[in-house]
Amino acid sequence: AQSVAQPEDQVNVAEGNPLTVKCTYSVSGNPYLFWYVQYPNRGLQFLLKYITGDNLVKGSYGFEAEFNKSQTSFHLKKPSALVSDSALYFCAVTGAGSYQLTFGKGTKLSVIP
Amino acid sequence: KAGVTQTPRYLIKTRGQQVTLSCSPISGHRSVSWYQQTPGQGLQFLFEYFSETQRNKGNFPGRFSGRQFSNSRSEMNVSTLELGDSALYLCASSLASLGFQETQYFGPGTRLLVL
Repeated sequence: AQSVAQPEDQVNVAEGNPLTVKCTYSVSGNPYLFWYVQYPNRGLQFLLKYITGDNLVKGSYGFEAEFNKSQTSFHLKKPSALVSDSALYFCAVTGAGSYQLTFGKGTKLSVIP
Repeated sequence: KAGVTQTPRYLIKTRGQQVTLSCSPISGHRSVSWYQQTPGQGLQFLFEYFSETQRNKGNFPGRFSGRQFSNSRSEMNVSTLELGDSALYLCASSLASLGFQETQYFGPGTRLLVL
């Protein structure tokens, strides 16, 4: 079975400071990892994904994520947070031949002006 | 290119009724997945369809069913509604089946309220 853990329900960060949203995963075989963002009353928007290759993945809106196989982690990062980054962030994982995307519970990011 | 569309956006039903939700994927996308989102359980996978075939099904009772048409549009049906079925139902599409680690693109969702 595959699973995702987002250990923080909420992350607060001051505008202009770097932000990190944590994610750890469990899956059989090679993981395929995704980050999505959800704004109030909206669907999910794709931010970035890791399939293979460089452990540092760059995505939309200045976000990036670092894949760490030994720690089974895929943390989302941004060097300088904006108030408009305030939203709900979801990490998701699937494995080869899984046909199912498993999401974490989500982390609410609040960027304080 | 138009995104994933879902209809209706909002729905109110009473217990015992049934409901059908519709999803039109991005043009050219052949895979459609459905998810249920609730505050308590988060995002839970319902099922995935690819080329009119259900490839995988999540841990939901048989009251939840779906289908996909030849034009890749998909419908989800919930029979004998229960209060606990109140949720945001999200549809996502991708070019190929999830088994190939395709990126899924989500629609805005249908918010279902069961009274």
